[in-house]
Amino acid sequence: AQSVTQLGSHVSVSEGALVLLRCNYSSSVPPYLFWYVQYPNQGLQLLLKYTTGATLVKGINGFEAEFKKSETSFHLTKPSAHMSDAAEYFCAVSGRSGNEKLTFGTGTRLTIIP
Amino acid sequence: EPEVTQTPSHQVTQMGQEVILRCVPISNHLYFYWYRQILGQKVEFLVSFYNNEISEKSEIFDDQFSVERPDGSNFTLKIRSTKLEDSAMYFCASSYITGLFFGSGTQLSVL
Repeated sequence: AQSVTQLGSHVSVSEGALVLLRCNYSSSVPPYLFWYVQYPNQGLQLLLKYTTGATLVKGINGFEAEFKKSETSFHLTKPSAHMSDAAEYFCAVSGRSGNEKLTFGTGTRLTIIP
Repeated sequence: EPEVTQTPSHQVTQMGQEVILRCVPISNHLYFYWYRQILGQKVEFLVSFYNNEISEKSEIFDDQFSVERPDGSNFTLKIRSTKLEDSAMYFCASSYITGLFFGSGTQLSVL
């Protein structure tokens, strides 16, 4: 069984400040990990994913995440927040067959303060 | 850039009516999924489909739900007799190897 915990349902940061969205996972098998972003009235867009190899993965829009097995974490960061980053962010986990279903966290709504 | 297309974007129906939600996955993808998101809640897995059959389904996906890939391009979700609690955003997704690509969703409102 797999699960995802996202700490903080709402996060507010000032424009230009560091963005840190937390994700911890539980998985009985080595996981694949994902971050998705959902802008208002839109679908889920893949930001980045970790499958194998380098534990620091870079995604679109300047976001990156680091897989830390010892901490069972996959936190999402961006050095400098833009107004356009305001959205809902979902962390997700799957097994390693690649086509397995995703289990999502409850999401974190990111607000950017001008 | 290829994308998953869902129609309609909004669907309003009366309780007890049948609805069909339609999806066109990305053309070379092999795996297809339906998820739903009730307002304010997490995105939940409903069903996965591969090689013209259901590969996995959740407890939510009961006998009222069915999926079909009637031709080489469309992937549909049918709810036979809608309930108030079926009101949600329904997302279709497809994948080739790793990472699901989602459509923009169909907002289903059951009155």
